[in-house]
Amino acid sequence: ETGVTQSPTHLIKTRGQQVTLRCSSQSGHNTVSWYQQALGQGPQFIFQYYREEENGRGNFPPRFSGLQFPNYSSELNVNALELDDSALYLCASSSGQSYNEQFFGPGTRLTVL
Amino acid sequence: AQSVTQLDSHVSVSEGTPVLLRCNYSSSYSPSLFWYVQHPNKGLQLLLKYTSAATLVKGINGFEAEFKKSETSFHLTKPSAHMSDAAEYFCVVSRPIKAAGNKLTFGGGTRVLVKP
Repeated sequence: ETGVTQSPTHLIKTRGQQVTLRCSSQSGHNTVSWYQQALGQGPQFIFQYYREEENGRGNFPPRFSGLQFPNYSSELNVNALELDDSALYLCASSSGQSYNEQFFGPGTRLTVL
Repeated sequence: AQSVTQLDSHVSVSEGTPVLLRCNYSSSYSPSLFWYVQHPNKGLQLLLKYTSAATLVKGINGFEAEFKKSETSFHLTKPSAHMSDAAEYFCVVSRPIKAAGNKLTFGGGTRVLVKP
């Protein structure tokens, strides 16, 4: 069974640029959630995708957008990058029931200069 | 609304001594509660979860937590710390959202240092 994978591992961008982060969910999982973890803080919920539809969103501006594909993999897009977007971005997959565990990937470390 | 407060940002213990990580939660509904561990440069790993069954929950690596509704607490304990327990620990409350799925709300984390 393959776990949750994310790419790239690290990324450096400059302010104002756009970035796309990718996540492959664990086999059999149809739900993907994205979280932002700033240095020294707990992860914060960005949004969740269930069967290719957005299924809930946290307190993030519209320049954070996402996509889920028919194979349940997912992308997180961030436009007009700001310095405060520097963080570890975590993807988690689950099988879609509210009580089920979310399995996390290793994350993508984004640095905005 | 839901929130989680981890009462200690850092905990230092000696190897072989007990570990206690404190967590209080706030939730307007019956919560599901989790403890996750994050080792450096690794993803989050679930230690244990409470989902309205037994109030004393046993997890992996000898950890356990007790759900106390009257105190709105979900403290994590381990009888004897091991060097490999040095990591960041997160207390998490879960809320069901539309359709299937849930949103996790994390506490600020507790960094555990284990001294030899």
